Amino acid sequence: GQQLNQSPQSMFIQEGEDVSMNCTSSSIFNTWLWYKQDPGEGPVLLIALYKAGELTSNGRLTAQFGITRKDSFLNISASIPSDVGIYFCAGQLGVAEKLVFGKGTKLTVNP
Amino acid sequence: NAGVTQTPKFQVLKTGQSMTLQCAQDMNHEYMSWYRQDPGMGLRLIHYSVGAGITDQGEVPNGYNVSRSTTEDFPLRLLSAAPSQTSVYFCASAQGSITEAFFGQGTRLTVV
Repeated sequence: GQQLNQSPQSMFIQEGEDVSMNCTSSSIFNTWLWYKQDPGEGPVLLIALYKAGELTSNGRLTAQFGITRKDSFLNISASIPSDVGIYFCAGQLGVAEKLVFGKGTKLTVNP
Repeated sequence: NAGVTQTPKFQVLKTGQSMTLQCAQDMNHEYMSWYRQDPGMGLRLIHYSVGAGITDQGEVPNGYNVSRSTTEDFPLRLLSAAPSQTSVYFCASAQGSITEAFFGQGTRLTVV
């Protein structure tokens, strides 16, 4: 089946630093999504990407849909303590297809 | 607008017991799904539904049953709980395309 490789598994950074994480797949996806999960909560959608090469921002977050359609990147600029959580990438092959999730990147921000 | 509501939030079962995890959404979404989240495994799809009366299996369906008699509700049934089903379960719903799914707060299930 389709698998997404998300890296790194965890990150420990200082407040104010920039963060970068990525997701790769052996399969082509037509949609890439990035979710954030706070402790004890369900995942919340951060950014959705629908076109190869697309670069989309949401505040301090920027995500890109890789040109090969097999990868995606998420960058967080000037991290703050509330950025702590687990970030998941997810891919969708087609409109009616299921979402495939990566295993997550756990982010810790030290004040 | 409550969004996606899951009940219960916590549950402990004995091996062999049965139970139903409830999921309700008030957004008139067509698509609903159940995931389980285990440490280091991300979210894995159990079952999903693209509309009332229609269900299909996901990645890890064994040991779970679902039904979708109404648009609003999508219960997940464990017929005979096993310790391997200890996990956090999330229900999600979406309108039309599943790309912008809304997740519930989760049910933490422990099977002893």
